Amino acid sequence: DAGVTQSPTHLIKTRGQQVTLRCSPKSGHDTVSWYQQALGQGPQFIFQYYEEEERQRGNFPDRFSGHQFPNYSSELNVNALLLGDSALYLCASSLAYRDNSYEQYFGPGTRLTVT
Amino acid sequence: AQKVTQAQTEISVVEKEDVTLDCVYETRDTTYYLFWYKQPPSGELVFLIRRNSFDEQNEISGRYSWNFQKSTSSFNFTITASQVVDSAVYFCALSEAGQAGTALIFGKGTTLSVSS
Repeated sequence: DAGVTQSPTHLIKTRGQQVTLRCSPKSGHDTVSWYQQALGQGPQFIFQYYEEEERQRGNFPDRFSGHQFPNYSSELNVNALLLGDSALYLCASSLAYRDNSYEQYFGPGTRLTVT
Repeated sequence: AQKVTQAQTEISVVEKEDVTLDCVYETRDTTYYLFWYKQPPSGELVFLIRRNSFDEQNEISGRYSWNFQKSTSSFNFTITASQVVDSAVYFCALSEAGQAGTALIFGKGTTLSVSS
């Protein structure tokens, strides 16, 4: 049973560039969430996708956008990169259930460094 | 506004000691969920436990136990007879049932170092 996978593992970009990170959810899961974890901090919620729609969004600028595909995989895009975007980006998958908040299973993350 | 506070930044213990990690939360919702995650040096967050706001029964799983007290808005985590493999960053998180999705709000984490 494959868990959550993310690619790439590491990425180095220059200020002003654009980046795309990818995530495949755990088998059977239909909801994907993205989190940003700066060094020494807890993960911060970016947004969540369900049925190919953005269901919930955290306090992140429009430079952060996403997409979910029919096979439930997801992409996170960041435009006009800033030095402050350097972080570990975590993808989490879960199974949507209207009345309960199921645990989210996390991938290994993508380490983004902006120089 | 929802918030999770983990006041202990770092804790160091010697193997076999018991250790308690504190978590205090704030929420306006009456229905919510509390979580603990472990993040070893590899970076991947590992789910440990989920509790809903209507279930204040304490839970024990092996050397791990959790104490949920709504009166003090706390959800503390105790490791009994700690081991070196317990060394990691531990995060407490909150999710409110009233929101559109199931976003997790994390605390800043507590780094636990267990020495032999």
